[in-house]
Amino acid sequence: QVHLVQSGAEVKKPGASVKVSCMPSGYSLSDYSMHWVRQVPGQKLEWMGWIHGGNGDTKYSRNFQGRVIITRDTSATITYMELSSLRSEDTALYYCARARGFSGYDYWGRGTLVTVSS
Amino acid sequence: QSVLTQPPSVSGAPGQRVTISCTGSSSNIGAGYDVHWYQQLPGTAPKLLIYGNTDRPSGVPDRFSGSKSGTSASLAITGLQAEDEADYYCQSYDNRLSGWLFGGGTTLTVL
Repeated sequence: QVHLVQSGAEVKKPGASVKVSCMPSGYSLSDYSMHWVRQVPGQKLEWMGWIHGGNGDTKYSRNFQGRVIITRDTSATITYMELSSLRSEDTALYYCARARGFSGYDYWGRGTLVTVSS
Repeated sequence: QSVLTQPPSVSGAPGQRVTISCTGSSSNIGAGYDVHWYQQLPGTAPKLLIYGNTDRPSGVPDRFSGSKSGTSASLAITGLQAEDEADYYCQSYDNRLSGWLFGGGTTLTVL
């Protein structure tokens, strides 16, 4: 069975960075890309970027260009999303979700709440 | 402008049919990219409802259907049930942004 297990909630100060992890299981990582989507409480879903399951190539939303980095560990078993220069507006739920090509996201993590507060 | 526009809210009585529209442009839906739909129940992660414009993942009731024409797509829900109360989002790829877009979301209320 497919699962995407995300790391726990984080509280960060403005200007800091946060690194959220997503550990998939139950499928071959090379067959799917991993996307990151965030949702500010009460607002819409926002795509942040993705990492190719096979070659590890990444692509980021222009809205986060320069602030977000998506990586994976050397054994390609865990995916990470790091967001830097945090501000209060970055307080949100951050989801990882898998996709094959241009298909929709068929499995999602439960989300990681990141709170940015001084 | 590269956005996907949805109505903020729709409503219907149990048993009725409702539709949710998703209007894009020539750089996303109109460019031939597939539209996907997600259902988000309160306090939960989104769930894939329709992929590839019209296809349902296994387990999704056939009360849910999708269509696409030109620069727009629609989600139809027939035989409305109380459990369908949720937020619904459309998604497509945009070649001008070289990235994925979500619609603004539509809140469905079952009266």
